[in-house]
Amino acid sequence: EVQLVETGGNLIQPEGSLRLSCAASGFTVSDNYMTWVRQAPGKGLEWVSLIYSAGTTYYADSVKGRFSMSRDNSKNTVYLLMNSLRAEDTAVYYCVRDLVGYDNTWGPGTLVTVSS
Amino acid sequence: DIEMTQSPSSLSASVGDRVTITCRASQGIRNDLAWYQQKPGKAPERLVYAAYLLQSGVPSRFSGSGSGTEFTLTIRSLQPEDFATYYCLQHNGYPWTFGQGTKVEI
Repeated sequence: EVQLVETGGNLIQPEGSLRLSCAASGFTVSDNYMTWVRQAPGKGLEWVSLIYSAGTTYYADSVKGRFSMSRDNSKNTVYLLMNSLRAEDTAVYYCVRDLVGYDNTWGPGTLVTVSS
Repeated sequence: DIEMTQSPSSLSASVGDRVTITCRASQGIRNDLAWYQQKPGKAPERLVYAAYLLQSGVPSRFSGSGSGTEFTLTIRSLQPEDFATYYCLQHNGYPWTFGQGTKVEI
């Protein structure tokens, strides 16, 4: 069964750092492109970042220079390292396989709260 | 960045109604557009990709159309389980961008 499970969400102070993990099962992350999408409380969806099979990454303007997406093929896991966190980064973060392709799969999400 | 303007932001409808949601792109995006449905407390689910292709398992009452800058999602006969929020997403240029969402309420 294809499954994604995000972990690492927490309450963190402004300017802090946090790393989210997305463990995949039922498929190989390095054979797919993977995406992070977030949703602030009561708000809409926001595309955050993407990593292609070749390792190329792209980011939303709002997180560029602060967030970094990576992958560990041996663990079949993708990561989102978030630095210099701001209150507006508070959101549920979803890990997504093949966001716009045939094999679209979403994880249940993990909550990141940035607050002092 | 490509801006996606989704309308309406919310609508009230009844079971059996025909519902149409529109997304307009700030520049041409060919058919690089997908539609998602989200129910409260749940992760979104994709309904349509490549502007008009229905995801496997999605009821045929859903349909997508459009190309270039204007796209529509139509629900032919609204069912109780269709009350949710719907989003479009363009993937023609980076950063990819979602529309603001349309909440379909009773």
